[in-house]
Amino acid sequence: GAVVSQHPSWVICKSGTSVKIECRSLDFQATTMFWYRQFPKQSLMLMATSNEGSKATYEQGVEKDKFLINHASLTLSTLTVTSAHPEDSSFYICSARVGTSYGTQYFGPGTRLLVL
Amino acid sequence: AQKITQTQPGMFVQEKEAVTLDCTYDTSDQSYGLFWYKQPSSGEMIFLIYQGSYDEQNATEGRYSLNFQKARKSANLVISASQLGDSAMYFCAILSSGTYKYIFGTGTRLKVLA
Repeated sequence: GAVVSQHPSWVICKSGTSVKIECRSLDFQATTMFWYRQFPKQSLMLMATSNEGSKATYEQGVEKDKFLINHASLTLSTLTVTSAHPEDSSFYICSARVGTSYGTQYFGPGTRLLVL
Repeated sequence: AQKITQTQPGMFVQEKEAVTLDCTYDTSDQSYGLFWYKQPSSGEMIFLIYQGSYDEQNATEGRYSLNFQKARKSANLVISASQLGDSAMYFCAILSSGTYKYIFGTGTRLKVLA
């Protein structure tokens, strides 16, 4: 299957700092990537849809100024958590869609963020 | 709006036995896809199986099969011959043809006993 990577896999930062998470499709081009957030023992919640070359589409309740998404190329999307606070600590997972709008999504391994 | 319901927060199964994980869904779309993903403790989401709403035959992938009952809006995952490595969290998801976004259920944690 298609391979999606995320970097870093683990990050610990101080409150108030910004953290950038990268999501790469390694062996295919992805015009659309998705960013999810998962709290412990809970399901994945879609945060935003990232489209190459255009602005991301955020889900209701997600602050776009807080979670900046950039999809500058067909293989890379980045999520920047700005001025992170302890409540932003979570597991962030990206996925990349193969082919058309109805294509299967392949998930990255996730990034665990801990804000102290 | 779409909704996925997984009513079993946790399940136990003896090694080598079969287990069924329940999933019901609600959607007004005529065309949609149903997916099952496995999430081990490492956190990665592993794609298991897919069923399209117009597929008349139940999907199968190795030890995984999807018991699709469209009229009842259910898409249960059946794992045959359970292995210790099957212990993980399992998520059911629906992909809407309208929004092309996944909606995930709350998950079922499966523990395979030796």
